[in-house]
Amino acid sequence: GNSVTQMEGPVTLSEEAFLTINCTYTATGYPSLFWYVQYPGEGLQLLLKATKADDKGSNKGFEATYRKETTSFHLEKGSVQVSDSAVYFCALSDRGTGGFKTIFGAGTRLFVKA
Amino acid sequence: DAGVTQSPTHLIKTRGQQVTLRCSPKSGHDTVSWYQQALGQGPQFIFQYYEEEERQRGNFPDRFSGHQFPNYSSELNVNALLLGDSALYLCASSRGQVNTGELFFGEGSRLTVL
Repeated sequence: GNSVTQMEGPVTLSEEAFLTINCTYTATGYPSLFWYVQYPGEGLQLLLKATKADDKGSNKGFEATYRKETTSFHLEKGSVQVSDSAVYFCALSDRGTGGFKTIFGAGTRLFVKA
Repeated sequence: DAGVTQSPTHLIKTRGQQVTLRCSPKSGHDTVSWYQQALGQGPQFIFQYYEEEERQRGNFPDRFSGHQFPNYSSELNVNALLLGDSALYLCASSRGQVNTGELFFGEGSRLTVL
C-alpha cells in the first residue's frame, strides 16, 4: 500500500538558517503530494502541494518539488524564522476503489531559535 | 465563513465505554474524513464519508464506525473503548471526490480513556 516516510525530528535551527525536511513516498498510482503544518495550539493546515511530477509547490517561502524518479518531496526554506516553529507533515493523496484518501507521515518537529 | 467544527473538544471515558464525536464540515464541503492522531505521531486515516456512505476505510477495527447526515455533518463512534484509543481525533472536510488535495481540518477532539 501507499506510505510516506519523513525524517525524524526534532530539527533545531537558528533563525535565518536553511531548512530541509526530507520526505519520500511509496505509491502504486500517481499521487498528489502535500506538506501540512501544525503550529502550536492550532489545527493542521495545508502549506503547499504538487499534483504531478516535476511540479513545484511553494508558499510562505517554503518550496518542495515532486520528484518521481526519486519518489521524494523534500521541503525547503532558505531562511527560517522563529515563527516557523511547528510540526510539518508530508502527505500523499491517491484514488482508491471508493475515492481519494490522504495519508500522512509521522511529522517532523522544527524548533527555530532566535 | 465557519471552518470545520468539532465537538466535544475534550472528553474522558473509561475502558469499555462508547463515545460519539461530531463534526461539521466547512461550508460548501460535502466529504468528511476522520483521522486518529496519537501523541507525537502523524494522523492515521480512519474512514471517509461522501453522499452519506463510507467510501474509504483505513486499517481500523469495526469498533470504529461513522455516519454522515444529509447536511454533510458526520459522527465518529467508537465502541468498547481501549486504553490505546486515547488520541486526538481529527475531522477533515473537502469538496467532492476531486483530488484537489486540500483538506480542511478541525482542531480535534481529544479523547482520554482511563
